[in-house]
Amino acid sequence: AQSVTQLGSHVSVSEGALVLLRCNYSSSVPPYLFWYVQYPNQGLQLLLKYTTGATLVKGINGFEAEFKKSETSFHLTKPSAHMSDAAEYFCAVLMTGNQFYFGTGTSLTVIP
Amino acid sequence: DAGVIQSPRHEVTEMGQEVTLRCKPISGHDYLFWYRQTMMRGLELLIYFNNNVPIDDSGMPEDRFSAKMPNASFSTLKIQPSEPRDSAVYFCASSLWSQSYEQYFGPGTRLTVT
Repeated sequence: AQSVTQLGSHVSVSEGALVLLRCNYSSSVPPYLFWYVQYPNQGLQLLLKYTTGATLVKGINGFEAEFKKSETSFHLTKPSAHMSDAAEYFCAVLMTGNQFYFGTGTSLTVIP
Repeated sequence: DAGVIQSPRHEVTEMGQEVTLRCKPISGHDYLFWYRQTMMRGLELLIYFNNNVPIDDSGMPEDRFSAKMPNASFSTLKIQPSEPRDSAVYFCASSLWSQSYEQYFGPGTRLTVT
């Protein structure tokens, strides 16, 4: 069973436009949720995470994500895209039992 | 801290040869993960350790792959014999349970098997 699903393997936005990258998870128990970014020829680095508490979490580079339990979603947003945001983005979940799952990734292209 | 260190950064070898990838996790971290990334299959978890003990190796593709963690500051992933389909980027990551398990990734080793 797929534990985390990223809708859209490729997303293109214009510079200055809203960025929305979608992530849904399958779990009856709220997991820990993460977004990672991977720039070309580099490892993954953490953008933000949700564990408990406030459902709207802010990360680096102006990104934020909101945990919505009713929708089992953790979508990543940024109000205004910058050229430097072009990268691969991965959603990840940590389930009970220390099972860690990554999504298949979404490649973000920013059009000047 | 220097972060997760992986060596070599690039490895080119011929089919049938033994390949050893190395990883030094962040000091104090108690989890270590090995991943493989390819265009076709994305990011795959191969194996992970907790306190140097292998916990889940269900992602290891075949018996040709083996991983060890002899101490808290060193791990190896070995492929013997290597095959062209093993060509990929291999990442090592470490985490600490008290930091909500967020994983810190190394820069990766790009393996090419000809």
